[in-house]
Amino acid sequence: GEDVEQSLFLSVREGDSSVINCTYTDSSSTYLYWYKQEPGAGLQLLTYIFSNMDMKQDQRLTVLLNKKDKHLSLRIADTQTGDSAIYFCAERNDYKLSFGAGTTVTVRA
Amino acid sequence: EAQVTQNPRYLITVTGKKLTVTCSQNMNHEYMSWYRQDPGLGLRQIYYSMNVEVTDKGDVPEGYKVSRKEKRNFPLILESPSPNQTSLYFCASSTPGGNNEQFFGPGTRLTVL
Repeated sequence: GEDVEQSLFLSVREGDSSVINCTYTDSSSTYLYWYKQEPGAGLQLLTYIFSNMDMKQDQRLTVLLNKKDKHLSLRIADTQTGDSAIYFCAERNDYKLSFGAGTTVTVRA
Repeated sequence: EAQVTQNPRYLITVTGKKLTVTCSQNMNHEYMSWYRQDPGLGLRQIYYSMNVEVTDKGDVPEGYKVSRKEKRNFPLILESPSPNQTSLYFCASSTPGGNNEQFFGPGTRLTVL
């Protein structure tokens, strides 16, 4: 079965870069996603990467994918207080999404 | 506005009292899914539906039922709720093609006493 793992907490200073890491086990995953959950809200898709790509950049967000190691990371440049949230890594196999436990990112002044 | 709605948003109930959490989407999505979110466990899929009258179990289906009589609605039924079903529940929908982005509802916080 699929198993997605990520660290639970990250504290970062405002203006610094944040890097959230994720490992997954299903080598047949077609898409890998990063979702953001703000307090009291549902999940919102931040970005995704197709499995045949190594990197994707979208404004302040950079996704790196290492298929050999089954490692996915999300880098947030110039982290702002509005980036404080829980970030979920997810892998897709067929129509099923498997989520990690979520990384709580706290941005301190 | 394209959205997924859930009702109720908050519910406190007692063990054994049947309840239904409704989910509706207005995006004509074929695929719908229910997840529960628990601290340290992330989101775990309960049931999903590929289309009308097509449903299947996810990772944690025990104690839950679903139905998909219409494309837009996908209710989650707890016939006899127990305290271990206290959780935050999310409904999601998506189309099968493209990046398969799942659109999530706002969540239903359920407490079973």
